Amino acid sequence: QQPVQSPQAVILREGEDAVINCSSSKALYSVHWYRQKHGEAPIFLMILLKGGEQKGHDKISASFNEKKQQSSLYLTASQLSYSGTYFCGTESLNRDDKIIFGKGTRLHILP
Amino acid sequence: EPEVTQTPSHQVTQMGQEVILRCVPISNHLYFYWYRQILGQKVEFLVSFYNNEISEKSEIFDDQFSVERPDGSNFTLKIRSTKLEDSAMYFCASSVGSGGTDTQYFGPGTRLTVL
Repeated sequence: QQPVQSPQAVILREGEDAVINCSSSKALYSVHWYRQKHGEAPIFLMILLKGGEQKGHDKISASFNEKKQQSSLYLTASQLSYSGTYFCGTESLNRDDKIIFGKGTRLHILP
Repeated sequence: EPEVTQTPSHQVTQMGQEVILRCVPISNHLYFYWYRQILGQKVEFLVSFYNNEISEKSEIFDDQFSVERPDGSNFTLKIRSTKLEDSAMYFCASSVGSGGTDTQYFGPGTRLTVL
């Protein structure tokens, strides 16, 4: 079952914050976040494994609410380089080695 | 820094032809994956491969698809009889451990165009 991402697209001015949400109808083992720039391969951002886990580096962080089967990606004080499409990928509790990606959220940062 | 490589970068083929897409995963990685991305759409899981066998595959990965690790370094995806709808970007990925717990590193992709 494909996770649902929201919003579909966001336009920000440099320095503004954004939140991208990812929710699943199935119980999750892990949530992965990737960013993909146009014409390039997805680049790994982070994995969240435990409910309640929060991770981050630089000004990008994420949380995983296991009970609600949701994850959120937080982009703080966005930079031009943050532009791209953000995908969440989820692995279900049955640990089937299969990561299912959402449709993506397009983020466009304006100078 | 080690990276996943894929060849060719772009392949154009006639409908019905066989294609083989090649990937060289990162050398100490044990898990290998193929994904595809139709232009403008999401990344779709095709197959995962561990210990010389398929560990999981999606509904997309039907009988026309096969994967192989013919030697210690290459990981290939074969499409036996290509269809127009197979046109997409195909990404190979690899990870040290199982996909749920470990980072999957993606290759640059092979763009497949079926005419």
